Formats: sequence, C-alpha cells, structure tokens
Amino acid sequence: EAAVTQSPRNKVAVTGGKVTLSCNQTNNHNNMYWYRQDTGHGLRLIHYSYGAGSTEKGDIPDGYKASRPSQENFSLILELATPSQTSVYFCASGELGGQDTQYFGPGTRLLVL
Amino acid sequence: QQQVRQSPQSLTVWEGETAILNCSYENSAFDYFPWYQQFPGEGPALLIAIRSVSDKKEDGGFTIFFNKREKNLSLHIKDSQPGDSATYFCAASVTGFASALTFGSGTKVIVLP
Repeated sequence: EAAVTQSPRNKVAVTGGKVTLSCNQTNNHNNMYWYRQDTGHGLRLIHYSYGAGSTEKGDIPDGYKASRPSQENFSLILELATPSQTSVYFCASGELGGQDTQYFGPGTRLLVL
Repeated sequence: QQQVRQSPQSLTVWEGETAILNCSYENSAFDYFPWYQQFPGEGPALLIAIRSVSDKKEDGGFTIFFNKREKNLSLHIKDSQPGDSATYFCAASVTGFASALTFGSGTKVIVLP
C-alpha cells in the first residue's frame, strides 16, 4: 500500500520564524504535492513537483517555498511565518499528474502565533 | 474564483437512506473527476472517480452521475451507514502531464444510526 508520511504532525511557530514541513513517500511516485486545508476552502494546492530537483507553483504559492532533493522527499518552507498560514498541511504523491490516484499523508497541523 | 463548487456544505441522513452530494465546475476542459473521502484526523483518500466520456460510475454503494452539458455531477451514497460519516471532496483536473487536481470545499456527511 502507498505510504506517505509527514513530520512534524503538530507545530507551533512564532510570527516571523522559519518553518519547514517534511514529507516522505515510499511509493516511488514521480509527482508530489503540498496542499493546505482550511474550513470553507477545501484543499488548495501550494506547490508540486514532477521529480527530484523540480518544483512548480500551485494556486497559492505566495509565502511558501518548496524543495525536492530526492524522489522520496518533498519539503515545504515558510521563510517568514505569518498567522494567516495557520492551517493543516497535507502532502500527497501520485504517478500521472492529476489523472491518477493521489495518496495523502496524515497532515501537519501548524499554528503560527 | 472557485472553479469547483460543492453543495450542501453539510448533510445529515439516517442509516439506510441515500445521501446525495452535488458538485459543479466552471472549466469546460476538466475531464477527470475524482471524489475523495476524509475521516477526522486523516488525509483524504480516493473513493471513486469518473472520466468525462462516461455519465455514470458505480463502485459498491457509491455512484457518480455526470452531466457534461450542465457541468455538474453528483455522488450518491446508497444505504448509508454510520461508517460513511466523513467529509467528501469533489475534485477535477484536465488531462495532461502538467495537470493537478482542483478541489471543492467539501460536504460533511453525518449518518445517524
């Protein structure tokens, strides 16, 4: 079965601080995604990647950076965290763009004070 | 502009009833429509999906009805069980390597025993 793990599962950060959210997948999928989930908005795509070394902007990339150092790992970086970035963040992996199943991790709950 | 809209926001049904969840979209180029199911504290998981060449897709007690002309679709949960209580997300994408999923805001379903 597909396996996507995220760390940390919970994070409290201060405004202006740097936050790094990590994602690891053991599916050998080429594509990986970062979403945030907020009440009333569903899941919104922040960044995605087609493979090691690539990152692409999603629908709401402002204030976020991404890094894909290997096939297995995809990180989301908040250089200067703001309270508006308080949310639940999900990582997912998939094989064929949007046309195949995306496998989601358990999520990271981030609170920016 | 929200490209994928879902209604109702929440829905309560009795065990054994059919729950009907609605979804509409703006982009005529969307041709793949998965529904994801999410339980509290977990990431979403693919439930069932349909491509725009079809007008109906069944899997167990879950059925998607798709109307390309009206740009809407619905998910029917037949003989609902308390274990079906979850949030359901409609999503859409355009065929192509660069495509990514666009999610609706979700419908929370509660099935009462």
